[in-house]
Amino acid sequence: AQSVTQPDIHITVSEGASLELRCNYSYGATPYLFWYVQSPGQGLQLLLKYFSGDTLVQGIKGFEAEFKRSQSSFNLRKPSVHWSDAAEYFCAVGAPFSGGYNKLIFGAGTRLAVHP
Amino acid sequence: GAGVSQSPSNKVTEKGKDVELRCDPISGHTALYWYRQSLGQGLEFLIYFQGNSAPDKSGLPSDRFSAERTGGSVSTLTIQRTQQEDSAVYLCASSRTGADQPQHFGDGTRLSIL
Repeated sequence: AQSVTQPDIHITVSEGASLELRCNYSYGATPYLFWYVQSPGQGLQLLLKYFSGDTLVQGIKGFEAEFKRSQSSFNLRKPSVHWSDAAEYFCAVGAPFSGGYNKLIFGAGTRLAVHP
Repeated sequence: GAGVSQSPSNKVTEKGKDVELRCDPISGHTALYWYRQSLGQGLEFLIYFQGNSAPDKSGLPSDRFSAERTGGSVSTLTIQRTQQEDSAVYLCASSRTGADQPQHFGDGTRLSIL
């Protein structure tokens, strides 16, 4: 069965520091991979996605993620964190079916706090 | 607005009552999904619509949960005889048809069962 693991429940970084959020997945084939961000009281906003091709993908707000098939990982990175990045981050695997839709399987999330 | 709209944003109700949650997807998006976000279970898939039909209802937790979609647009999630364990944030997402299409989420309905 497909699953997603985000090992870090809570991470605190200083503003301006670099950030890496970890994501490991279990899936029988090349997955569709996503990172979403959720601010308090709001829905999920798509940061970036990987379907195929270049394993380093760029997203919005200065985020990037790298797909590593050998490690079953899709870690999210940002070189310099801003206070406004404080939020909860979710990694998700898309489980495409023959019906042409995508049932997302989410990790438990990583809550990011940013110190001034 | 151009985003997914959900209403109400908050709903408080007594145990045993029925509730209806509404989702208005992005115009032109034929695929619509409902997810539930709860403290104990995280984010879980509930149901998928393609147009007005629901080919995948596998995530609905019990027969107290049902959903419909009309006109290929608005969807309603109904919970009958609510229980305290139904307390959660219910999120709706829509996308264009295709497994490679990203899902766009609404802000959710926070449901609290007293």
